[in-house]
Amino acid sequence: KQEVTQIPAALSVPEGENLVLNCSFTDSAIYNLQWFRQDPGKGLTSLLLIQSSQREQTSGRLNASLDKSSGRSTLYIAASQPGDSATYLCAVGETSGSRLTFGEGTQLTVNP
Amino acid sequence: SAVISQKPSRDICQRGTSLTIQCQVDSQVTMMFWYRQQPGQSLTLIATANQGSEATYESGFVIDKFPISRPNLTFSTLTVSNMSPEDSSIYLCSVGTTETQYFGPGTRLLVL
Repeated sequence: KQEVTQIPAALSVPEGENLVLNCSFTDSAIYNLQWFRQDPGKGLTSLLLIQSSQREQTSGRLNASLDKSSGRSTLYIAASQPGDSATYLCAVGETSGSRLTFGEGTQLTVNP
Repeated sequence: SAVISQKPSRDICQRGTSLTIQCQVDSQVTMMFWYRQQPGQSLTLIATANQGSEATYESGFVIDKFPISRPNLTFSTLTVSNMSPEDSSIYLCSVGTTETQYFGPGTRLLVL
C-alpha cells in the first residue's frame, strides 16, 4: 500500500526566503506526482505535475523535482510572499487519471 | 481542463439524517472520485464512481454508509447516510484525465 509523507508538517518563514518542502513515498512504481495548494476553506489547486519519466517541472517561482528511485520529491518556492501562505499537498498517482494518494500536507505561513 | 461544481457548498445537518452531494463536470470524463478530508487532515479516497456500475470502495468505506450514483460521464452523487458528528468533513469530487486531476470546490459538512 502506497504511503506518502510530507516534512515538515508546518513551516513559518519571513517574506523573501527561499524554501523547500519535502515529500516521500514508499512505492516507487508511480505514474506521476502532483503538488497541490489548498487555501483555508477552499478546494485544491494543482500547482505542478511531474510524470514518472520526468525529473522536474517549473512554474514561475515554483520548481518541483522527482527522484523516483529514492521515492522523493521536493517543492522549491523562491522569494516567498505572504500570498504563498497555504497548505501544500503532495499526491502520487498509480496510473493515468487514477486515484491519488495524498500526504498529510505542509502548512506554510509567510510573514510580511 | 475540467471545471467541476459541487452542491451544496456547505450544510449543517442533524445526526441520523442523510445528505446527498452532487458533482457536475463540464466535460465527459471516465474517472471520477470522491474524497473526504476530515478536520486538520489530508484527503482520503472514499470510492471511485463508475459509470453504469457499482462504485469501487476503499477499505473502511461501505456502500450502505456512502451510496454513490454515476448515471452518466458528467455527473455523480455521494450520499452520507445516517450521519454522526464523526462525518463532519469536507467532501471533494475529483476527475482524472490523462493530463492531471481536477478537484471540485468541496462540500463542507457539519453534523450536530
